[in-house]
Amino acid sequence: EVQLVETGGGLIQPGGSLRLSCAVSGFTVSSNYMSWVRQAPGEGLEWVSVIYSGGSTYSADSVKGRFTISRDNSKNTLFLQMNSLRADDTAVYYCAREGLSYGPFDFWGQGTLVTVSS
Amino acid sequence: QLVLTQSPSASASLGASVKLTCTLSSGHSRYAIAWHQQQPEKGPRYLMKVNSEGSHTKGDGIPDRFSGSSSGTERYLTISSLQSEDEADYYCQTWDSGIRVFGGGTKLTVL
Repeated sequence: EVQLVETGGGLIQPGGSLRLSCAVSGFTVSSNYMSWVRQAPGEGLEWVSVIYSGGSTYSADSVKGRFTISRDNSKNTLFLQMNSLRADDTAVYYCAREGLSYGPFDFWGQGTLVTVSS
Repeated sequence: QLVLTQSPSASASLGASVKLTCTLSSGHSRYAIAWHQQQPEKGPRYLMKVNSEGSHTKGDGIPDRFSGSSSGTERYLTISSLQSEDEADYYCQTWDSGIRVFGGGTKLTVL
């Protein structure tokens, strides 16, 4: 059974850092394209970052230079390192699987809430 | 620029059918899209992929009441025999090298 479980969210002050984790079971993270997607309160879905099976990474302009996506193959876990956090980064963060190549997000986690506030 | 456009809201009666539309930006008529459902207070759920030719591939356990189709730059999600649990937000999504894009979402109300 495929499962994605995000952890690491919480309340953080503006300018702070946080690392989110997405523990995966049922498939191999390193063999798939994996993304982080966020949803601000009352808003729609916004793609954040993707990591390809080959290791290339891409991010949305809104987080470029501040957020870094990575993975630990030995732990089958995806990460999102978030630095220089701002109030508008407040959102539920989801990890999602894209599959072996470009395609739809076919499995999603349940999300973890990040609140940036003083 | 790759953009997806959705109407903010739609409504239909219990037991009826509804067709939601996702429009690709000009010049992107050959792109496939995906539909995702987000019920209140829940995470998104993958429904299906819809190709430019009109074929669709559904996710695990998605009922036959859900189907997809295409015409030009428009991609459709049709839900028949509407049930109360179909009341949700529906997002379309697409992808290209280095980017992933979501539409703004359509809030479906079942009357």
